[in-house]
Amino acid sequence: NAGVTQTPKFQVLKTGQSMTLQCAQDMNHNSMYWYRQDPGMGLRLIYYSASEGTTDKGEVPNGYNVSRLNKREFSLRLESAAPSQTSVYFCASSELAGRTNEKLFFGSGTQLSVL
Amino acid sequence: DQQVKQNSPSLSVQEGRISILNCDYTNSMFDYFLWYKKYPAEGPTFLISISSIKDKNEDGRFTVFLNKSAKHLSLHIVPSQPGDSAVYFCAASSNFGNEKLTFGTGTRLTIIP
Repeated sequence: NAGVTQTPKFQVLKTGQSMTLQCAQDMNHNSMYWYRQDPGMGLRLIYYSASEGTTDKGEVPNGYNVSRLNKREFSLRLESAAPSQTSVYFCASSELAGRTNEKLFFGSGTQLSVL
Repeated sequence: DQQVKQNSPSLSVQEGRISILNCDYTNSMFDYFLWYKKYPAEGPTFLISISSIKDKNEDGRFTVFLNKSAKHLSLHIVPSQPGDSAVYFCAASSNFGNEKLTFGTGTRLTIIP
């Protein structure tokens, strides 16, 4: 029972390089999310996808793009990485966005360093 | 502007004693609150939640209390065990205005054997 799987687990980039973080869930959830975690800042929402075919900006979307490839997969792309994007990135899923009692299931995270 | 605040970055508690983690929020539209637990190198996992229609929810050793007038919630762990050592995040959501989950900054709990 894999749950939410993120790849890669670690990545080092140079400023200006691009990369895509991959996320897949096997729980048949409709909604998926990308968060970043920074010291003293908690978890901040970057983008989310309430359902297949839709994406919306979260609290800190600048510098990122997302693709909801299908119901299972939701990728996060950094087109031109900056040191400010050094962070731990978490993908999450939930059964249905918009319900106040939604419970998120998280992947194990990607540690990204931009030099 | 931090809408969900956990003012204690860290807390140390003796094994067997009660651990109390606190969380304050500013958005009066929040009507559902959750606690997540996070171990190093893992993603957060759901621990316990409470709706604004309640003031207490209990699950085994974990109890969450909600004081709506004070916009404050707390997580009680009794008795504390070494495996409870982790970072705890408070989170809040609202059914109004399509508010997504807003997380606090986390409290690192260390249980001393």
